[in-house]
Amino acid sequence: GAGVSQSPSNKVTEKGKDVELRCDPISGHTALYWYRQSLGQGLEFLIYFQGNSAPDKSGLPSDRFSAERTGGSVSTLTIQRTQQEDSAVYLCASSISNYEQYFGPGTRLTVT
Amino acid sequence: GENVEQHPSTLSVQEGDSAVIKCTYSDSASNYFPWYKQELGKGPQLIIDIRSNVGEKKDQRIAVTLNKTAKHFSLHITETQPEDSAVYFCAKTGGFKTIFGAGTRLFVKA
Repeated sequence: GAGVSQSPSNKVTEKGKDVELRCDPISGHTALYWYRQSLGQGLEFLIYFQGNSAPDKSGLPSDRFSAERTGGSVSTLTIQRTQQEDSAVYLCASSISNYEQYFGPGTRLTVT
Repeated sequence: GENVEQHPSTLSVQEGDSAVIKCTYSDSASNYFPWYKQELGKGPQLIIDIRSNVGEKKDQRIAVTLNKTAKHFSLHITETQPEDSAVYFCAKTGGFKTIFGAGTRLFVKA
C-alpha cells in the first residue's frame, strides 16, 4: 500500500516568507508526528496529533511554527516569517498506535 | 531525563564483521525502544523494536537487547554487508512522545 507522502520534496524560500509543508499519512493511521532534522543531526520532535487534536505542542521551536490536521488525515506544518535557522529537513511520520512509526521522505527546506 | 545517549557517533567495520551500537536513557516511563535506519535522502525506516517486558529480540542478522534495570539497549548487526551502510537511530517511547538518539553513521567496507 501507499506509504507516508510529503510535499514539496524541496522548498527554497526567502527569509521572512511563510511556507506550508504537507503530510499525507498512511490511510487509517490515527497518530501523526512532525520532526525536524538539521544536517547530520538527529530528529527533533515538533508536534504530535491524535486524530485532529494535538495534545502536545511543546516541541514547536517558536510561535512562528504551527500545525493543523483536518479530517484525521492530511496535516500541514506552517512556518511564518522564515529564518535561516529554520533550514532543515522536516519529516512526518504516522502510526496506528503510539509505537511503530512510518516516516515519509521529508521536505528539505532552505531559507536564503 | 528526556534524552537518549547514543554511541558511537561513527562506526567503521569490515564486511562480514559485527557492528554494535549502544544507547542509554534515564527515565522510567519509556516502554518501547525502536531502532531506525536512515539512508541518504530518505526518511528513517523501522528495522527492529523491543518492548520493555522483553530482554532480547532477533530478526535474521539484526538483534536488539534491553537491560531495563541498567537503562541501556543495544543494536547488534552480524555479518555486515555494504548495504548496511547508513545512519542508525535508537529511540525511546513513553506515552506518545518518541525521543531519538543523535545517530550512528555506520560504514561497512567491502
